[in-house]
Amino acid sequence: DVKVTQSSRYLVKRTGEKVFLECVQDMDHENMFWYRQDPGLGLRLIYFSYDVKMKEKGDIPEGYSVSREKKERFSLILESASTNQTSMYLCASQTGSAGELFFGEGSRLTVL
Amino acid sequence: GQNIDQPTEMTATEGAIVQINCTYQTSGFNGLFWYQQHAGEAPTFLSYNVLDGLEEKGRFSSFLSRSKGYSYLLLKELQMKDSASYLCAVRDRGNTPLVFGKGTRLSVIA
Repeated sequence: DVKVTQSSRYLVKRTGEKVFLECVQDMDHENMFWYRQDPGLGLRLIYFSYDVKMKEKGDIPEGYSVSREKKERFSLILESASTNQTSMYLCASQTGSAGELFFGEGSRLTVL
Repeated sequence: GQNIDQPTEMTATEGAIVQINCTYQTSGFNGLFWYQQHAGEAPTFLSYNVLDGLEEKGRFSSFLSRSKGYSYLLLKELQMKDSASYLCAVRDRGNTPLVFGKGTRLSVIA
């Protein structure tokens, strides 16, 4: 069975803290993505990666960075968390041939 | 720019048929996806259309008209477990990332 695992289902952090959200996939997929999902706004793309050490900005990259040191792992970093980054964060992976996305269970982040 | 529109909410009766529409305006087109997302869970893949016409998969069917920038997801013999959000997503060219609509929340009532 395909599996995308996100490190934390629920996190509570304080404003200004550094936050790491980790995502691991076991399908040997080339492509990985980070989205955030907010009520009324849908899924919005933060960053994506089509290869190890490669990253591309999505539609809303401000305040975020990413790291992809290994093919199976794609990390999202909030250098200094702010309250407007309170959201559900979804990681997804995809084969290089542009098939469907496989999503992780999501990480619900609350920034106080 | 890219724009994907779908209704915010729909309600339908158990056993009935419901059609969820999606219209899109994108610079190109290389496929349309439908996902189902139950509350508090990850989206899961339902269907994919890249050519005009109807794709049927059990109780679920998806239709695409590229000339009209239009798709619909048809759910037959509705069950309570079909209560979920349904997300329409479009890839505008090549292997660019999917762009999602805001989702349609479907409530199935007895």
